[in-house]
Amino acid sequence: DAGVTQSPTHLIKTRGQQVTLRCSPKSGHDTVSWYQQALGQGPQFIFQYYEEEERQRGNFPDRFSGHQFPNYSSELNVNALLLGDSALYLCASSLQYEQYFGPGTRLTVT
Amino acid sequence: GNSVTQMEGPVTLSEEAFLTINCTYTATGYPSLFWYVQYPGEGLQLLLKATKADDKGSNKGFEATYRKETTSFHLEKGSVQVSDSAVYFCALSDQGSSGSARQLTFGSGTQLTVLP
Repeated sequence: DAGVTQSPTHLIKTRGQQVTLRCSPKSGHDTVSWYQQALGQGPQFIFQYYEEEERQRGNFPDRFSGHQFPNYSSELNVNALLLGDSALYLCASSLQYEQYFGPGTRLTVT
Repeated sequence: GNSVTQMEGPVTLSEEAFLTINCTYTATGYPSLFWYVQYPGEGLQLLLKATKADDKGSNKGFEATYRKETTSFHLEKGSVQVSDSAVYFCALSDQGSSGSARQLTFGSGTQLTVLP
C-alpha cells in the first residue's frame, strides 16, 4: 500500500513566480491537509480539503490556494513567491483523526 | 487558540540512557495528542497518540500519558538507541464532529542525538 506521495521533491523558484505542488493521499483517505515547515521549526497548518472543498484554513495569505480532485489528490498553489516562502511543504492525508505525512517538497525561493 | 510548548533542545544522550521530552499544551475542549518523529531529510512519522485523558500511547518503546490535570503529554523511553536520533514533535488536534481530523498544532520540535 503506497503511502502519501508528493511531487516534486525539490524546487527552486525566483521571487514573484508561481508554484504548484502536488500530493496523492494514502489509499482510502479522503482528507488532505497542507503544512509549511520552515527550517528548524514545527510545521504550520495552511489548509485542509475534504470533498473538494476547503474545510479549514490557517493563518496564511490568499497567495496560498489549493484544490482537491475527485480522486482525493490535491494541489497547493503559491503566487507571487517571497523569499520567506522557502520551506518544506508537507502534505498529510487522513480518514479519521490520524494524519499521515508525505516526505515533503523542499521549495527554495531565490 | 491552541498552542503546544515543547522542551527546548537539543538533547544529547548516551546509548541506553533514559529519555524524557516535556510537552505541555493549551486548548479548549478535549484535544487528541500526538508525538511525531522526523528523521533527517524525511517527512513526519506518527510515533504515538492518545485521544482522551489518562490514555497512554506507546510504540517502539516510547510512551506518553495524556494528563488533563497538568495539560501535559511528556514523551519517555527507558533506553534510547543511536537509531532514535531524530527531531521529535508534540502536537494536538481538535476532533471534528464526526471524528474527522482537524488541523494539527505543533510544538517547535526537540532534536535528540544519541551517542554510542
